[in-house]
Amino acid sequence: IAGITQAPTSQILAAGRRMTLRCTQDMRHNAMYWYRQDLGLGLRLIHYSNTAGTTGKGEVPDGYSVSRANTDDFPLTLASAVPSQTSVYFCASRRGGDTGELFFGEGSRLTVL
Amino acid sequence: GQNIDQPTEMTATEGAIVQINCTYQTSGFNGLFWYQQHAGEAPTFLSYNVLDGLEEKGRFSSFLSRSKGYSYLLLKELQMKDSASYLCAVEDSNYQLIWGAGTKLIIKP
Repeated sequence: IAGITQAPTSQILAAGRRMTLRCTQDMRHNAMYWYRQDLGLGLRLIHYSNTAGTTGKGEVPDGYSVSRANTDDFPLTLASAVPSQTSVYFCASRRGGDTGELFFGEGSRLTVL
Repeated sequence: GQNIDQPTEMTATEGAIVQINCTYQTSGFNGLFWYQQHAGEAPTFLSYNVLDGLEEKGRFSSFLSRSKGYSYLLLKELQMKDSASYLCAVEDSNYQLIWGAGTKLIIKP
């Protein structure tokens, strides 16, 4: 089934540990995004990529990094996790940076203790 | 700054009609999206408006007034499965989506 796959779906992590959330899409979409969703707040953009080989910072990029080595994969790395990074993380994609609706992965629930 | 406002929570009765409002102030405007998100699940696309007026899609309709910075999502013949959060998002001048906090819709029998 075409779509976006995120892994892991849920993770508990000790503060200070490094963590990579994986995201893969098979729709050949050019643009990909990482959002975090916290209770009472709208989805907030962490990083984005309009095409393979390029990335950009969103609204809340501090403490996170991304890479886009190919069209399909867009991993998000927390170099040294802190409790404030406890959140639900959604990966999303769309055809182009200015085209079409976003399709979302099922989310990764991360708890940092 | 950029701002999207939606009511936090609304309650409606099965079979009725409900209107969820969204007002926005953003740096430019390239379109407005509505998404549905059931608890514990990913958001799913409902509608997209870029021109003023009403877009109808089955039981759901979305309206846009760019001059007023205003949109609404209209849900007719409400069903229990419509209980969800409804997210309004505006695409700004850089084609980034700015999201509202969402409206939690509770449907009562």
